[in-house]
Amino acid sequence: EVLLVESGGDSVQPGGSLRLSCAAAGFIFRDYEMNWVRQAPGKGLEWISHVSSGSRTIAYADSVKGRFTVSRDNAKNYVYLQMESLRAEDTAIYYCVKDQNMVTTNWFDSWGQGTLVTVSS
Amino acid sequence: DIQMTQSPSSVSASVGDRVTITCRASQGISNRLAWYQQKTGKVPRLLIYAASSLQGGVSSRFSGSGSGTYFTLTISNLQPEDFATYYCQQANSFPLVFGPGTRVDL
Repeated sequence: EVLLVESGGDSVQPGGSLRLSCAAAGFIFRDYEMNWVRQAPGKGLEWISHVSSGSRTIAYADSVKGRFTVSRDNAKNYVYLQMESLRAEDTAIYYCVKDQNMVTTNWFDSWGQGTLVTVSS
Repeated sequence: DIQMTQSPSSVSASVGDRVTITCRASQGISNRLAWYQQKTGKVPRLLIYAASSLQGGVSSRFSGSGSGTYFTLTISNLQPEDFATYYCQQANSFPLVFGPGTRVDL
C-alpha cells in the first residue's frame, strides 16, 4: 500500500520560512515523479511543484516560483518543499502526491493526508 | 500557460440521475486530462486519467470522454456517495493546472 505522510506544517508570520517533508513508502520511490499540490481553505486545488525521479526536471507554479524549492532524497524516500518569503495567500493544506506511473503521466494516483500551513501575523 | 474552465460550477441532482460535467482547456492538450473527486474534508481521489481511462477501483458509473480542448465527466445512476466536488486537471505541460471544480450536491 502506498503511504505518503507530510509533516512540517505550522503557523508562521508573513515573510517567514518553513520546510515541508513527505515520507513515502509502499512503492519504489526512486522510480516515481513527485509533486506538491495545495488547497487554500474552502478553495480549489492548486498544483505548485514537480520533481522528476532523478531530480533532473523541476517545475513550479508561477505563484511560488523563486520562493519555493522542491527536492528529494531517494536514499531516504523523502520529498521536501522549502518555502521562503511566505505570504498570507500561501495559507493552505499542502499535499504530497505521487505520479501514477513510472513513465511520466503528470496525474496523481496517491495523495498524502496533507499538512496545514498558516501564514498570519 | 493553459487555463482550465469547468461548467457548471455546481449542480443539484438526485440519486439515480445522470450528471455531466464539462471541462475546457484554453489550448489543445490531446488526451492529457485527469478527473478527481473530493469529498468534504477528504483527500482528492483520481477517477479518470488520459481523458477516458478509469482508475482502478473506481465505479464504472464514472466515464470520461473528449480530447483537444473539450472534455466531459459523466456520472451515471448517481449514488449518495457521489455527492462531492469534481476537478479536472491538465497534464500536458507545466504548469499543471486544475479546473476550478464542480460541486455536485443533493
